[in-house]
Amino acid sequence: GIQVEQSPPDLILQEGANSTLRCNFSDSVNNLQWFHQNPWGQLINLFYIPSGTKQNGRLSATTVATERYSLLYISSSQTTDSGVYFCAVPFRPGNDYKLSFGAGTTVTVRA
Amino acid sequence: DVKVTQSSRYLVKRTGEKVFLECVQDMDHENMFWYRQDPGLGLRLIYFSYDVKMKEKGDIPEGYSVSREKKERFSLILESASTNQTSMYLCASSFFRGRETQYFGPGTRLLVL
Repeated sequence: GIQVEQSPPDLILQEGANSTLRCNFSDSVNNLQWFHQNPWGQLINLFYIPSGTKQNGRLSATTVATERYSLLYISSSQTTDSGVYFCAVPFRPGNDYKLSFGAGTTVTVRA
Repeated sequence: DVKVTQSSRYLVKRTGEKVFLECVQDMDHENMFWYRQDPGLGLRLIYFSYDVKMKEKGDIPEGYSVSREKKERFSLILESASTNQTSMYLCASSFFRGRETQYFGPGTRLLVL
């Protein structure tokens, strides 16, 4: 299956700081999703972004499919941004409904 | 809003017990998934189902089985729980095959003693 690597594994931020999370994947994809898992375990889909750039409030994401990476930007971080951020891509090309998840980036935002 | 619910948030079982985890979604989704999440390993797919009574093995199906008798309900069964099945279990659902986002339940933290 397609391999997914996320970096950094851990990130500690002071409230108000900006940060960038990275997701590298090993093959062409036409489906890439970013998720946020809050400290209570709930996973929420942030972006469906196979290519291009999308913005949602203080979060934005860019996927460069030809170079096999995606970036998630957090601007003016808040304590509610804490949690684990996962990137997910199809298990293999053409198999869009079965996702492979990266190991995640754990973000801690301190007040 | 899509709602995916799981039968328990926390569960404590003894080794050898049969364990049922239930998941219900209210959006008429065709696809349903069971994952387990362990520190440093991300989410790993146990089983998924794309229709009633249809199932496919995921990456780590050993020690688990599933049941989907109705479209909205997908059950994960641990036939004989073992300590290495202590984990967070997450259920998800999505529309059909294709480029659709997955919606997750709140998770069940299972401890097997």
